[in-house]
Amino acid sequence: KQEVTQIPAALSVPEGENLVLNCSFTDSAIYNLQWFRQDPGKGLTSLLLIQSSQREQTSGRLNASLDKSSGRSTLYIAASQPGDSATYLCAVLRGWGSNYKLTFGKGTLLTVNP
Amino acid sequence: NAGVTQTPKFQVLKTGQSMTLQCAQDMNHEYMSWYRQDPGMGLRLIHYSVGAGITDQGEVPNGYNVSRSTTEDFPLRLLSAAPSQTSVYFCASRQGNRGYGYTFGSGTRLTVV
Repeated sequence: KQEVTQIPAALSVPEGENLVLNCSFTDSAIYNLQWFRQDPGKGLTSLLLIQSSQREQTSGRLNASLDKSSGRSTLYIAASQPGDSATYLCAVLRGWGSNYKLTFGKGTLLTVNP
Repeated sequence: NAGVTQTPKFQVLKTGQSMTLQCAQDMNHEYMSWYRQDPGMGLRLIHYSVGAGITDQGEVPNGYNVSRSTTEDFPLRLLSAAPSQTSVYFCASRQGNRGYGYTFGSGTRLTVV
């Protein structure tokens, strides 16, 4: 059974800091890994999608890396801003036949203080 | 494009009542799924569909039914609501190719009293 762990569970930083969120998964046979952002009381917004054959993806101040063999991914946020405050979720996609399953970590609650 | 649309956004039910949570997507995605999100439990898969007419169970299917008569719609039915079904429900969809990511709806917050 695939398990996804996110560390830390919560993180509080001052504005302007660079930070790293961690995600690990137990079964390396994944198709892709997706990072989401969730604001309080809202839905999930996709931030970055990394295919199993890729090492990293970048979007603006966000950079996600993937080391499939070790079962790890990191989300790097540069020059953090108060608007980055949210819960960040990682999820891995596995499949068998025509079926697929997305397994989520429990998230990292990020607070960026002005 | 509207993406994935869920209705209603909020709902309060009495124990034993039934209701249907609606989910519609306008992206012609083959895969659709329902998740529930509970504090400390993360998101858990309830049911999913790989195409019109095909559905299957996820991790926590008990007490829920689904059907997929069209590509666009994937309703979730609560047959007899229980307080344990108080949760936030999310619908998601994606393209058939495994290289694509998921798009989520904005959720339905359900309270069963």
